[in-house]
Amino acid sequence: NAGVTQTPKFRILKIGQSMTLQCTQDMNHNYMYWYRQDPGMGLKLIYYSVGAGITDKGEVPNGYNVSRSTTEDFPLRLELAAPSQTSVYFCASSYSTGEGGETQYFGPGTRLLVL
Amino acid sequence: GQNIDQPTEMTATEGAIVQINCTYQTSGFNGLFWYQQHAGEAPTFLSYNVLDGLEEKGRFSSFLSRSKGYSYLLLKELQMKDSASYLCAVLDSNYQLIWGAGTKLIIKP
Repeated sequence: NAGVTQTPKFRILKIGQSMTLQCTQDMNHNYMYWYRQDPGMGLKLIYYSVGAGITDKGEVPNGYNVSRSTTEDFPLRLELAAPSQTSVYFCASSYSTGEGGETQYFGPGTRLLVL
Repeated sequence: GQNIDQPTEMTATEGAIVQINCTYQTSGFNGLFWYQQHAGEAPTFLSYNVLDGLEEKGRFSSFLSRSKGYSYLLLKELQMKDSASYLCAVLDSNYQLIWGAGTKLIIKP
């Protein structure tokens, strides 16, 4: 199992550009999450999904969009990139949110720099 | 609001024992996680506590007191590879993880 994979590893964007961060998991997990991690701060939840076709906002959703057409894939879309979106983005997945399946497994991250 | 507090940085000596504390105030509680994160890498799962008491896993142990809103991660026989950030996270009433800012642990020879 590859676990959770993310592409790209690193990207530089100009202000106003758009991009999609890709995330794929091969563990047949129902739940998937997107976080951002800024220096000295805890992970902040951007969006999450409880299954294919179902997504919901987290704590910091503004400026982002997601979709979940399959169990495996959960791409994150940045529209009109801003310097405030410079961060490290992590995708994670878990089997469930109860009955011992709550552990989240993380991808390697995407470092995004917006200039 | 929801809040998780842990020390920003700690230093310990190779071979010694270190305890990293975490206090939390969250809307509901469905478990507490500890993750390890090496610089430039993803967080990796260390432990999960949902009941009061101590959970031991090799050199690492995690303790929980729900009545005090308190947990600690105990690392024994420290090795240089244990130099990393340790993240405390609480699963709240909505089953969402609320994360602390992490404790950077520096191990000195």
